[in-house]
Amino acid sequence: DTEVTQTPKHLVMGMTNKKSLKCEQHMGHRAMYWYKQKAKKPPELMFVYSYEKLSINESVPSRFSPECPNSSLLNLHLHALQPEDSALYLCASSLMQGTDTQYFGPGTRLTVL
Amino acid sequence: AQSVTQPDIHITVSEGASLELRCNYSYGATPYLFWYVQSPGQGLQLLLKYFSGDTLVQGIKGFEAEFKRSQSSFNLRKPSVHWSDAAEYFCATFMKTSYDKVIFGPGTSLSVIP
Repeated sequence: DTEVTQTPKHLVMGMTNKKSLKCEQHMGHRAMYWYKQKAKKPPELMFVYSYEKLSINESVPSRFSPECPNSSLLNLHLHALQPEDSALYLCASSLMQGTDTQYFGPGTRLTVL
Repeated sequence: AQSVTQPDIHITVSEGASLELRCNYSYGATPYLFWYVQSPGQGLQLLLKYFSGDTLVQGIKGFEAEFKRSQSSFNLRKPSVHWSDAAEYFCATFMKTSYDKVIFGPGTSLSVIP
């Protein structure tokens, strides 16, 4: 089973709202990722967690706050977002951080009004 | 720096026709190479991957890809396209910086004519 699940599927929020995206995998993977994908573009890496610790932050603005409560869960907390943050947010996981294959979830379509 | 290019932004094929999507990589050593497919509004699904060994790789949904070092290519093929294959296709590799980072090509959008 190579399934990564993400909730919610769609999210609409105002610029003053606080919301969270959730990602879950039960494959025993120890690396989890957040990507942002704008329309007609490839995904761009935001964060990497390895063994529940943040190992890579690709200079993402602080209005995005990741959290890895345990080895199966990854959250992305959103606060004071801008309309240009509207995008598809993809979660992925791999066995280990490095050159292991990454498996992606279906994504959360975020619209910021 | 390592990169992948996909020369075709958009391809249209008739249902039942054969398909080849092009991917070129730039890297010194044997690279890790992937093909992902993304249906509209969906996440990325791994079609196949190449790390080493047999240069002809079989994937899911009837896709295959061939690694050709001499041409720096990793083209994706399917002998007979189905309407459900209409999607965005991304070739990807790892870029070695201070860590291994997946980098994606710009993508090829596939349309299938009934």
